[in-house]
Amino acid sequence: AQSVTQLGSHVSVSEGALVLLRCNYSSSVPPYLFWYVQYPNQGLQLLLKYTSAATLVKGINGFEAEFKKSETSFHLTKPSAHMSDAAEYFCAVSDQQTGGFKTIFGAGTRLFVKA
Amino acid sequence: SQTIHQWPATLVQPVGSPLSLECTVEGTSNPNLYWYRQAAGRGLQLLFYSVGIGQISSEVPQNLSASRPQDRQFILSSKKLLLSDSGFYLCAWSQSGTSTDTQYFGPGTRLTVL
Repeated sequence: AQSVTQLGSHVSVSEGALVLLRCNYSSSVPPYLFWYVQYPNQGLQLLLKYTSAATLVKGINGFEAEFKKSETSFHLTKPSAHMSDAAEYFCAVSDQQTGGFKTIFGAGTRLFVKA
Repeated sequence: SQTIHQWPATLVQPVGSPLSLECTVEGTSNPNLYWYRQAAGRGLQLLFYSVGIGQISSEVPQNLSASRPQDRQFILSSKKLLLSDSGFYLCAWSQSGTSTDTQYFGPGTRLTVL
């Protein structure tokens, strides 16, 4: 069965520091991978997605993620954190085995940004 | 452009009362529709998804039900709410017939059962 593991339910960084949110997935077929962001009391919005093209994917707000098949990872990074990046981030996987209709979400990582 | 609406935004209901949450999508046709629940401090739990009118798949057996009376309308219901039904309910849609399956989420409904 497909699964997603996000390492660390909470991550705290200083403003201007590197952001690294970790995600590992399990899938027996080539996956589609996503990062979503959720601000308090709002729905999720797509940050970026990997769909078997370039392994380094650039998203909105300066975020990017790299697909590493050998490590089954899709970690999210941003070179310099901003206060407005404080939110909860979800990694997700979707593939043919889920019928293309269902996406499996990780438990989420809450990012805190200190001034 | 496509938009997704959910209402109400917040709801406080007593235990044992009925529930009806509504979700509508504009600007697309025959979308895949989803209901998720997000409990405090936890990830997203897929409750139901639908690939067409009248077609509902349930992911988690519970006292909730879903219906899709129109192409772009998705309703989440309960006859008798439990305390454990409290949470943040999110509706989402994705394009039918695509394999990339990006989901677009509504603003959510905060449900508190007392």
